[in-house]
Amino acid sequence: GAVVSQHPSWVICKSGTSVKIECRSLDFQATTMFWYRQFPKQSLMLMATSNEGSKATYEQGVEKDKFLINHASLTLSTLTVTSAHPEDSSFYICSARGRGSNEQFFGPGTRLTVL
Amino acid sequence: EDQVTQSPEALRLQEGESSSLNCSYTVSGLRGLFWYRQDPGKGPEFLFTLYSAGEEKEKERLKATLTKKESFLHITAPKPEDSATYLCAVHPPSGTYKYIFGTGTRLKVLA
Repeated sequence: GAVVSQHPSWVICKSGTSVKIECRSLDFQATTMFWYRQFPKQSLMLMATSNEGSKATYEQGVEKDKFLINHASLTLSTLTVTSAHPEDSSFYICSARGRGSNEQFFGPGTRLTVL
Repeated sequence: EDQVTQSPEALRLQEGESSSLNCSYTVSGLRGLFWYRQDPGKGPEFLFTLYSAGEEKEKERLKATLTKKESFLHITAPKPEDSATYLCAVHPPSGTYKYIFGTGTRLKVLA
């Protein structure tokens, strides 16, 4: 149980384009989803928290107009990187928490490369 | 300020050489301490949740323990496949479900 998927697992795009990453909880309802960014050999950096049906809460320093998060249902959240630039290249990981649970279960991550 | 510190930063063990990883925290009113394993290029894999001092959890060669100030992840007779980064995270007593993560311990087990 507690499986979270992400799609795509990797994506390469040109500078200026937008990229959408999907995060799905496959066998439980995710009342809260989290989006993280991870640089090589560093720990996870929380970007934003989203609750189903509510606007996402962004961490300080994260541009909400650049990283659009939508938590449309109890099993799906999306992160859209708008007008991507090479500095947005990174490993993006989502996690999900079920109702009444403290544990976060992570997806496999998405490697974004912006040329 | 709430903080989570993991040590050592990196650890190399021979196969079968048991050791412990440390996670110390300065969060008061802990709502949970979590251990994850992360392989390169993958998302963290959940291992354990600990809630109160004295609690212990085991899974195969791993055992996690908790005191009021720190947690240990004991690895008994490790194998090369245990090589990974082990992350510790705490759930502070705020109203949100955000974690505070440590920077991880990179474990390499040599055959």
